[in-house]
Amino acid sequence: GQNIDQPTEMTATEGAIVQINCTYQTSGFNGLFWYQQHAGEAPTFLSYNVLDGLEEKGRFSSFLSRSKGYSYLLLKELQMKDSASYLCAVRDDPGGSYIPTFGRGTSLIVHP
Amino acid sequence: EAGVTQSPTHLIKTRGQQATLRCSPISGHTSVYWYQQALGLGLQFLLWYDEGEERNRGNFPPRFSGRQFPNYSSELNVNALELEDSALYLCASSLVGTGGNEQFFGPGTRLTVL
Repeated sequence: GQNIDQPTEMTATEGAIVQINCTYQTSGFNGLFWYQQHAGEAPTFLSYNVLDGLEEKGRFSSFLSRSKGYSYLLLKELQMKDSASYLCAVRDDPGGSYIPTFGRGTSLIVHP
Repeated sequence: EAGVTQSPTHLIKTRGQQATLRCSPISGHTSVYWYQQALGLGLQFLLWYDEGEERNRGNFPPRFSGRQFPNYSSELNVNALELEDSALYLCASSLVGTGGNEQFFGPGTRLTVL
């Protein structure tokens, strides 16, 4: 089975930097995804990590350490529109199932 | 290019009834996934269809079923509805076999069981 943990809620100030952590325990590993989901909307893809290290995409970066079962999503220069739920999802894919398992999500509140 | 579409947007049923939810994937995507997102819970995987076949199933009772049509659209059926089936049902599509297998989600169907 899989166990994915991320904080339930975080708050941050507009313009600041926030790091959302995700730890996982899986029988295998074949990629970690981050999705953003605004209230009442569909999740949208942010990043995919399969190798250790940092992937940067504009204001958002995602880091992975496979040996530690750990990832984080870094959001810089926070904007009010970044208030959303951030979902960490891990694919262990031992049999080619391509099905990621999602964590419960971290609700980020950005205030002025 | 049109994204993943789902219908209806909202669905209200009573206990014991049956619900049918529909999903059209992005053109060219052969895989369709169904997830349930209940309040306070993460996305729970329900079903995966690819090329018309059920490829994988999550930990849900048999009253959750579905199918994929030749045009790759899909239907999720929930029989004998229970109150705890109230949730947002999300459909996603992807290209199987590509690196990352990014899933593109539809807007969801909000099912309320009274």
